[in-house]
Amino acid sequence: AQSVTQLDSQVPVFEEAPVELRCNYSSSVSVYLFWYVQYPNQGLQLLLKYLSGSTLVKGINGFEAEFNKSQTSFHLRKPSVHISDTAEYFCAVSEHTDKLIFGTGTRLQVFP
Amino acid sequence: DGGITQSPKYLFRKEGQNVTLSCEQNLNHDAMYWYRQDPGQGLRLIYYSQIVNDFQKGDIAEGYSVSREKKESFPLTVTSAQKNPTAFYLCASSIRTGQGDEQYFGPGTRLTVT
Repeated sequence: AQSVTQLDSQVPVFEEAPVELRCNYSSSVSVYLFWYVQYPNQGLQLLLKYLSGSTLVKGINGFEAEFNKSQTSFHLRKPSVHISDTAEYFCAVSEHTDKLIFGTGTRLQVFP
Repeated sequence: DGGITQSPKYLFRKEGQNVTLSCEQNLNHDAMYWYRQDPGQGLRLIYYSQIVNDFQKGDIAEGYSVSREKKESFPLTVTSAQKNPTAFYLCASSIRTGQGDEQYFGPGTRLTVT
């Protein structure tokens, strides 16, 4: 069965520093991969998604993620974070169905 | 302006009462979903519907019920049988191409049962 692991529940970082949020998945078939962001008391918003093709995917707000099939990973990166990036980030996987399986989330806290 | 609306944003109920959460979308999406979010547990799927008048249980359907009488609407009822109903509830919708369709989320309803 498919599953998603976000090992880091919290990631503290100073403003303008780079950040990487880790995501690993398990699946026996090819998958689609997603990163969503959630600001406090709001719904989720799509940051980026990988469907096929280039393994480096660029999203909104300067975020990017790299699909690594051999390591079954889809880590999210940003070269320089802002205070406004403080939020919870969710990785999700879909095995070509309507359903998404979400990780438990990583809270990114950006300090001035 | 297309999107998903959930109402109310905050809801308070006494234990033993059923409560219905509203979800409406004007995106013309076929599929709709209900998730429950608890701290540290991510999003867990309660029910989903791929077409009008049809829906399937998700991973934590016990104590919940849904209906899908219209394409635009997918209300969720939290019954008194749900043992721990206090949570943040999120509704989502998507088109159905089967090609990595993203889900669009509403703003959520925070339910508190005392």
